[in-house]
Amino acid sequence: EAQVTQNPRYLITVTGKKLTVTCSQNMNHEYMSWYRQDPGLGLRQIYYSMNVEVTDKGDVPEGYKVSRKEKRNFPLILESPSPNQTSLYFCASKWGRAGYNEQFFGPGTRLTVL
Amino acid sequence: GENVEQHPSTLSVQEGDSAVIKCTYSDSASNYFPWYKQELGKGPQLIIDIRSNVGEKKDQRIAVTLNKTAKHFSLHITETQPEDSAVYFCAAQNQAGTALIFGKGTTLSVSS
Repeated sequence: EAQVTQNPRYLITVTGKKLTVTCSQNMNHEYMSWYRQDPGLGLRQIYYSMNVEVTDKGDVPEGYKVSRKEKRNFPLILESPSPNQTSLYFCASKWGRAGYNEQFFGPGTRLTVL
Repeated sequence: GENVEQHPSTLSVQEGDSAVIKCTYSDSASNYFPWYKQELGKGPQLIIDIRSNVGEKKDQRIAVTLNKTAKHFSLHITETQPEDSAVYFCAAQNQAGTALIFGKGTTLSVSS
């Protein structure tokens, strides 16, 4: 089944404790992206990657890091999480860059930073 | 940068009625406008999309219209059913294809 998977689905942590949220897709998509969803704000892009070893900032990149060492994986790293990073996180992928290609979303990771 | 506004934020209809959600965008270079449905506890799922060179697209009970001049697009759901209850997001893709800019979402409730 074609899908985007994220782990963990739920995470409660404390301020300053480094964490990684994994994202993997099995559709051989070149493009991958991370979004955060907050009540009343919709989804906002954190980082995206056009291909292996190619990443760039989205609208809200502060406090986050990403890496793209393999085509299928795009982990999101919070080196020193803070309470304002409590949010619902979605990973997405699509084929190619330009054009009109559907972005497929993962099931989400609900993160709480105490 | 691109900004997408979506209205209304909540919409309640009776089963069988129609529902309309409207969005406006700011960047005239945007070229692709998808609509996503998000059910509780799940990720957004594409329900319909429209390209900038098309004015209207229909898929069974769902239709989308695009007015490039006015920079607005709308989602129309006819003969609503309780399973249509969800949060709906409109989005606009930037010209480079690197980002979707989302509206803030509309919570649709369909009562039977």
